[in-house]
Amino acid sequence: GAGVSQSPSNKVTEKGKDVELRCDPISGHTALYWYRQSLGQGLEFLIYFQGNSAPDKSGLPSDRFSAERTGGSVSTLTIQRTQQEDSAVYLCASVSSGMVNEQFFGPGTRLTVL
Amino acid sequence: QKEVEQDPGPLSVPEGAIVSLNCTYSNSAFQYFMWYRQYSRKGPELLMYTYSSGNKEDGRFTAQVDKSSKYISLFIRDSQPSDSATYLCAMGSYGKLTFGQGTILTVHP
Repeated sequence: GAGVSQSPSNKVTEKGKDVELRCDPISGHTALYWYRQSLGQGLEFLIYFQGNSAPDKSGLPSDRFSAERTGGSVSTLTIQRTQQEDSAVYLCASVSSGMVNEQFFGPGTRLTVL
Repeated sequence: QKEVEQDPGPLSVPEGAIVSLNCTYSNSAFQYFMWYRQYSRKGPELLMYTYSSGNKEDGRFTAQVDKSSKYISLFIRDSQPSDSATYLCAMGSYGKLTFGQGTILTVHP
């Protein structure tokens, strides 16, 4: 089925490098979320896109993190000058306009910063 | 204090046991309450959600919400090895969800 997809599934990078993580939401879903999940932790909200509204960036941990959503569909999360503490699983979720509380998650991107 | 508190476990039970998973919260603005299940190296998937206090049943799963005590529970009856996963409570308002830490559950045959 056409669920949420994320790429890459795994990313290993060196400290100080920039990385881009991609999320393809379910077709027609209007809302898109990014979360970070560290080992043994719950999901930490990062950013939220709803339709054409300005994104809610209140969860971004620093200005090294940014995200965009092009054409109301695909989203890219960019982390600049990566640090070891950025190592985590980055999860994307999309929501249908009619069910704003049921989030469908992708499998995540496992980021390791050496 | 975190807005949502969840005992991380781990919790290990024999097959057939009744499992109780719990979360407490501090934000009275939360309007809906959800339970997600996450298998290893997978994204979370929604199990149940509810808007009101009381019980909601779906097969072997029962979600319970007590808004006056700011406490939610998930009960799993006749637990199966396939129920082994991390269970995350989540609560929301205005489209944003706040997640608990997750409880790691293992059901052994």
